[in-house]
Amino acid sequence: AQSVTQLDSQVPVFEEAPVELRCNYSSSVSVYLFWYVQYPNQGLQLLLKYLSGSTLVKGINGFEAEFNKSQTSFHLRKPSVHISDTAEYFCAVSDINDYKLSFGAGTTVTVRA
Amino acid sequence: KAGVTQTPRYLIKTRGQQVTLSCSPISGHRSVSWYQQTPGQGLQFLFEYFSETQRNKGNFPGRFSGRQFSNSRSEMNVSTLELGDSALYLCASRQGAEAFFGQGTRLTVV
Repeated sequence: AQSVTQLDSQVPVFEEAPVELRCNYSSSVSVYLFWYVQYPNQGLQLLLKYLSGSTLVKGINGFEAEFNKSQTSFHLRKPSVHISDTAEYFCAVSDINDYKLSFGAGTTVTVRA
Repeated sequence: KAGVTQTPRYLIKTRGQQVTLSCSPISGHRSVSWYQQTPGQGLQFLFEYFSETQRNKGNFPGRFSGRQFSNSRSEMNVSTLELGDSALYLCASRQGAEAFFGQGTRLTVV
């Protein structure tokens, strides 16, 4: 079984400032890693994924994440946020063999002008 | 290509009733998974169907069931509704390791 810990439940940030959302996972098997974003009353939209290969992954809307196997982390970053990035962000992990997603509790990002 | 479609978007049911939610996956996707999202428990996996067979199941009581049809559309049923079943129910269709989510069905049990 896998588990995911998102270390910050809320992150307030000013517009055009950088943001980092922290995610740690635990698993006894090899995993795939994902970040999703959820806007109010919406479903989940995939921001980026790590399946294999380069540990630095680039996603949509200027987001990127780095997979660190030794620290079992998959932190999400954006160098300059916009008001429209205000949303809830979920880190997720799946076993490479069964694809069932285990999610973290979510991080609410609030971008202020 | 159309995305994952869930119907209805909103539902209000009375305790003790049953409910059926529907999910149409992206064309060509054969895997459909269901998740429950609540403020207290977060996002939890319910079950996955692939080619009409349940392939994986989460830790939910037997009141929660599902099925998948030959066209890959899936339905989820909850019987004997409880107040705690109020949640956003999300469906995802999968291509390889990547899951694409629908907008969800917001179920309120009163």
